[in-house]
Parts: sequence; structure tokens; C-alpha cells
Amino acid sequence: AQSVTQPDIHITVSEGASLELRCNYSYGATPYLFWYVQSPGQGLQLLLKYFSGDTLVQGIKGFEAEFKRSQSSFNLRKPSVHWSDAAEYFCAVGPPTGFQKLVFGTGTRLLVSP
Amino acid sequence: DTAVSQTPKYLVTQMGNDKSIKCEQNLGHDTMYWYKQDSKKFLKIMFSYNNKELIINETVPNRFSPKSPDKAHLNLHINSLELGDSAVYFCASSQALRGNIDTQYFGPGTRLTVL
Repeated sequence: AQSVTQPDIHITVSEGASLELRCNYSYGATPYLFWYVQSPGQGLQLLLKYFSGDTLVQGIKGFEAEFKRSQSSFNLRKPSVHWSDAAEYFCAVGPPTGFQKLVFGTGTRLLVSP
Repeated sequence: DTAVSQTPKYLVTQMGNDKSIKCEQNLGHDTMYWYKQDSKKFLKIMFSYNNKELIINETVPNRFSPKSPDKAHLNLHINSLELGDSAVYFCASSQALRGNIDTQYFGPGTRLTVL
């Protein structure tokens, strides 16, 4: 069965420090991979996505993610966190073919301390 | 300009009532979705429509009935509301249905509370 694991429920990072959010997936084939961010009371906004090609993907707001096939991982990183990055982050996978049915992880809440 | 909009933003109702949530997208997309986010923030797809045709129907009670009057609108009607229906419901849309997967754009969500 397809699944996405985000092992960290909460992460607290000091403002200006680097960030890495973990995402592991279980899928029959290499899926399409996404990171979404949900600010309090808001909908989900796409940060970045991986379909194929370069395994290091750049996204909006200074985020990047690296796809590692051998580890079935797609970790999200940011070199310097800003207070406005405090939000819930969701990793998701989608099928490379067939109907677009995203499977989401349970999310990681990022807290930014001053 | 809101790309994907939902109304209402908050909905509080009694058990047993029937309610509807509306969704509209002005992106010209062909495909729309409904997701449910539970109290633990777990997000799961419920339905998907493409050009007014039901494409994905996950294991959802038949008290939930999506309706798509045109490809820009996908409404969700819920009959005989239960406590467990309390959640945030997100509408989303995307251009492509299959093959080249496309970004899904999400609405702001509707927080449904059943008392």
C-alpha cells in the first residue's frame, strides 16, 4: 500500500538556523513527490515538486528538497529559517500514471523560536 | 483574486442535519477534488471530478454526495451529519487528470463542527 511517513510531529528551530524535515515513502514505483505548507487557518500551498531529472529540487521561499531513491526519501531543507516559516508541512506522493490521487503524510509542525 | 474559493469558511451544526459546502475555481482547471483533514491533521482524498464526471470515489459514506454543476464548481453535500464528520474539508483543483501529473491548488478550507 502507498504511504508517506513524516517521523517528526513537531520540530523547533531557532530563527536563522537551518532546517531539515524528513519524508519517507512507500510506493510500488517512483512516484511524483510534493511538499506543501499550511499556515494556520489557511489552505495548502505547494512549495516544490519532483517528477524526474535533477534530484535536488528548488522551490519557493528558499526551500529545497532532495530525492534519494535508495532511501525512498524526499527531505525538505532550508538553510536559514525565518519566523514566518512557522507552519505545518506536508509531504505527499502521487502516481506517475493513472488518476491523480495524492497520498499525504501526517505533517510536521515547525515552530520557530526567536 | 482567489484561485480556489470555498464557502462557508466555518460551519457549526447539530447532529442529523444536512449541510452543503461550495467550491469554485477560476483557474480553468478540468479536475477538482475534495479532501478531509481530521483533528490530527491527516489529509485524505474523498472525491475527484473531471469535467463534471466522478473519477475518484474513496471509501466515503454515501451520506456524502459531491455535485459538479460545471467544471468550475464542485459542491459537497452531507446528509445526516455525525460527530465524526467534524473536520476541515479542502477543495482543490488541477489541470491534468492523469499522465502528466499537475499541481493541485487548494482552497482555504471549511471547518465543519458537528455538535
